[in-house]
Amino acid sequence: AQTVTQSQPEMSVQEAETVTLSCTYDTSESDYYLFWYKQPPSRQMILVIRQEAYKQQNATENRFSVNFQKAAKSFSLKISDSQLGDAAMYFCAYRSGRDDKIIFGKGTRLHILP
Amino acid sequence: DGGITQSPKYLFRKEGQNVTLSCEQNLNHDAMYWYRQDPGQGLRLIYYSQIVNDFQKGDIAEGYSVSREKKESFPLTVTSAQKNPTAFYLCASSATGGRVPYNEQFFGPGTRLTVL
Repeated sequence: AQTVTQSQPEMSVQEAETVTLSCTYDTSESDYYLFWYKQPPSRQMILVIRQEAYKQQNATENRFSVNFQKAAKSFSLKISDSQLGDAAMYFCAYRSGRDDKIIFGKGTRLHILP
Repeated sequence: DGGITQSPKYLFRKEGQNVTLSCEQNLNHDAMYWYRQDPGQGLRLIYYSQIVNDFQKGDIAEGYSVSREKKESFPLTVTSAQKNPTAFYLCASSATGGRVPYNEQFFGPGTRLTVL
């Protein structure tokens, strides 16, 4: 069975600095998709960024980028120029290419220090 | 605006009572999902449905039931058999199949259920 592990329950970063959130996953499949979701205090889940396993190029969305290391089964999220609005719980997630279920990690709570 | 609605936002029930949480989507998605979120546990899948009149158990289906009579609606009933029902419940939907490769899930705002 696939698993997603986020080893950092909480992290803090100074405003305007860069922070990297770690995620590793375990799978024997070659066709899959990876996601980072953000859950702010409102608890609304928001998709931040996504990556297809077949694409070697790392995905980027404005200040958010990923470091996708397929061989190492690692999918870290980098947030540049951190802003107060980035404070949230971040979930790493995996979807097999064979079905539509998504497996979530337990999350990393990110604090932004002014 | 397309999206997913969940109602109510906060729900209180007495122990031993069944309660139904509503989830409606107008994104024309075939698949819908229910998750439970507890502190430190991430999101755990309760039930999911990929097509009308069909649904499958997720990882923690005991004490819950669902129906999928319409594409837009996927209500979740928390029964009295659920031993610890107080939690935050999230509903999601997604496209299915290969036409939309990522098939990422879109989420509703959630319902906080408190059983007294």
